[in-house]
Amino acid sequence: DAKTTQPPSMDCAEGRAANLPCNHSTISGNEYVYWYRQIHSQGPQYIIHGLKNNETNEMASLIITEDRKSSTLILPHATLRDTAVYYCIVRVSNTGNQFYFGTGTSLTVIP
Amino acid sequence: DAGVIQSPRHEVTEMGQEVTLRCKPISGHDYLFWYRQTMMRGLELLIYFNNNVPIDDSGMPEDRFSAKMPNASFSTLKIQPSEPRDSAVYFCASRSGTGNEKLFFGSGTQLSVL
Repeated sequence: DAKTTQPPSMDCAEGRAANLPCNHSTISGNEYVYWYRQIHSQGPQYIIHGLKNNETNEMASLIITEDRKSSTLILPHATLRDTAVYYCIVRVSNTGNQFYFGTGTSLTVIP
Repeated sequence: DAGVIQSPRHEVTEMGQEVTLRCKPISGHDYLFWYRQTMMRGLELLIYFNNNVPIDDSGMPEDRFSAKMPNASFSTLKIQPSEPRDSAVYFCASRSGTGNEKLFFGSGTQLSVL
């Protein structure tokens, strides 16, 4: 699976959009981009995933560049409860392979 | 569904003792994963099962660690003998084998080996 690069930490003001970047320059054509987050003392939680098109659900939006070498997770209106570590993972879907979690981005939402 | 259930939530033991961590995956999920999380190494995959069969145990640190899945609704991770460096949070996760790629994690077991 392709490696990802994320900034180690970010801050965001409460109520503003949080934009979390991820670089995956070696991504293959059949690899998906997944985002999970881990709130302190809890297990990681699935947020969203996509292949090439932008995706949106009730939690967030995922913007993938046309060349697929990078993506951005957008939390449209960040709340204090969004403070967590956010992991960007790329992997081939339906291969049975495990998810490799890197170090992620620690997002702090500031009141 | 109650989600992935792990027990105990916290475990404190002395070096040399046997430790058994338990996991009940979400009903109907075909895959079960055991992860370990520490500050130094982050979230590491230890082993995963597909339809109760161990598929990849390359992440198991050494022979002191063993995992079993006797049926589709139960798995254990055993450490014997335990050592202080085994102190970590151990997570169990499960997912469906078809279509849905979401991993669902339990709340974890905080293990402290004194």
